[in-house]
Amino acid sequence: AQTVTQSQPEMSVQEAETVTLSCTYDTSESDYYLFWYKQPPSRQMILVIRQEAYKQQNATENRFSVNFQKAAKSFSLKISDSQLGDAAMYFCASHTGNQFYFGTGTSLTVIP
Amino acid sequence: KAGVTQTPRYLIKTRGQQVTLSCSPISGHRSVSWYQQTPGQGLQFLFEYFSETQRNKGNFPGRFSGRQFSNSRSEMNVSTLELGDSALYLCASSLYPGRSGNTIYFGEGSWLTVV
Repeated sequence: AQTVTQSQPEMSVQEAETVTLSCTYDTSESDYYLFWYKQPPSRQMILVIRQEAYKQQNATENRFSVNFQKAAKSFSLKISDSQLGDAAMYFCASHTGNQFYFGTGTSLTVIP
Repeated sequence: KAGVTQTPRYLIKTRGQQVTLSCSPISGHRSVSWYQQTPGQGLQFLFEYFSETQRNKGNFPGRFSGRQFSNSRSEMNVSTLELGDSALYLCASSLYPGRSGNTIYFGEGSWLTVV
């Protein structure tokens, strides 16, 4: 089984500043994908960004980017120019073949 | 394009009762998976269905079951409810099952409270 670890239960950031959320994973698979999902107070999980493990280039989606370190099995999410709407629970997840494995989440607070 | 729709959104049941939750996937998506989210355990995989067949099952007791219909809509059922079954049940849909990198899209969830 795979494990996904998010070691930061809570994080905070000033509006307009940058914050990085950490995630490490453990897998023996060679073909896998990594995701960040956001869960706002509405509780609906929203895809933020995904990364193919075979790609060395880090994925970017507007203000969201990842730092994917395959050898270290690390997959951190950087949020630039943080906005109040970014406040949510963020889940890191890995996916290979059959199912997703989620971390325990990081609660992000954005301070005005 | 409509998203993943889950019904009911909120429900309260008594211990020992059973409950059925429904999920309509995004149009064109044929794979549906279910997750249980609790504060203590986080997100845990329940099962995945494709073409009316259960493809994968998480580590949950037999009280938890599901099915998928020919139109890809899915239901999950929990029998003999226990207090610990109180949780947010999330449904997710995707185009194809069992392929790495298959992005899943979630519904808003069904909040189940067992009293």
